[in-house]
Amino acid sequence: NAGVTQTPKFQVLKTGQSMTLQCAQDMNHEYMSWYRQDPGMGLRLIHYSVGAGITDQGEVPNGYNVSRSTTEDFPLRLLSAAPSQTSVYFCASSSPYGDEQYFGPGTRLTVT
Amino acid sequence: LAKTTQPISMDSYEGQEVNITCSHNNIATNDYITWYQQFPSQGPRFIIQGYKTKVTNEVASLFIPADRKSSTLSLPRVSLSDTAVYYCLVGDGNTGGFKTIFGAGTRLFVKA
Repeated sequence: NAGVTQTPKFQVLKTGQSMTLQCAQDMNHEYMSWYRQDPGMGLRLIHYSVGAGITDQGEVPNGYNVSRSTTEDFPLRLLSAAPSQTSVYFCASSSPYGDEQYFGPGTRLTVT
Repeated sequence: LAKTTQPISMDSYEGQEVNITCSHNNIATNDYITWYQQFPSQGPRFIIQGYKTKVTNEVASLFIPADRKSSTLSLPRVSLSDTAVYYCLVGDGNTGGFKTIFGAGTRLFVKA
């Protein structure tokens, strides 16, 4: 099992550009989440999904969109990148019957 | 969602036992306490979860008093590789650790 994979590892965007961060998991987990982590800070929840076709907002959803068409994939879209979105983005998945979230390796995004 | 308070940083030496305490005064009846470890440039990794009393696994122990308003993560005989940030989370254990709040965590520095 690859676990949770994220692409790309690094990305530089100009202000106003859009892009999609990819996240996939092969553990058949129902729950998936996106977090952002700013330097020296903890993780903040952006959006989450409890199953295919179901998404909801987390703590800091503005400027981001998500969709969940399959159990495996949970892409995060930046609609119009802003310097305030410079951060490391982590995707995670979990089972409703387990006790832990499994995190991907992260995507380091810089917006200039 | 319950808020947690942890020390910002701690120092230790190799071979010592390290105890990190987390305060969670407004923990709800169905909340579990979960600890994660994060190394630089990596996603968080699950360490241990508990509801009450004591839980032990191959990596750590978790002590939870009867009132559950605090918890202590105990790392026996730390090594240099235990230098990391440790997060205490409180949330509904039936959701796979989902929708919990990551605070700033505790930065543990292990010295030789």
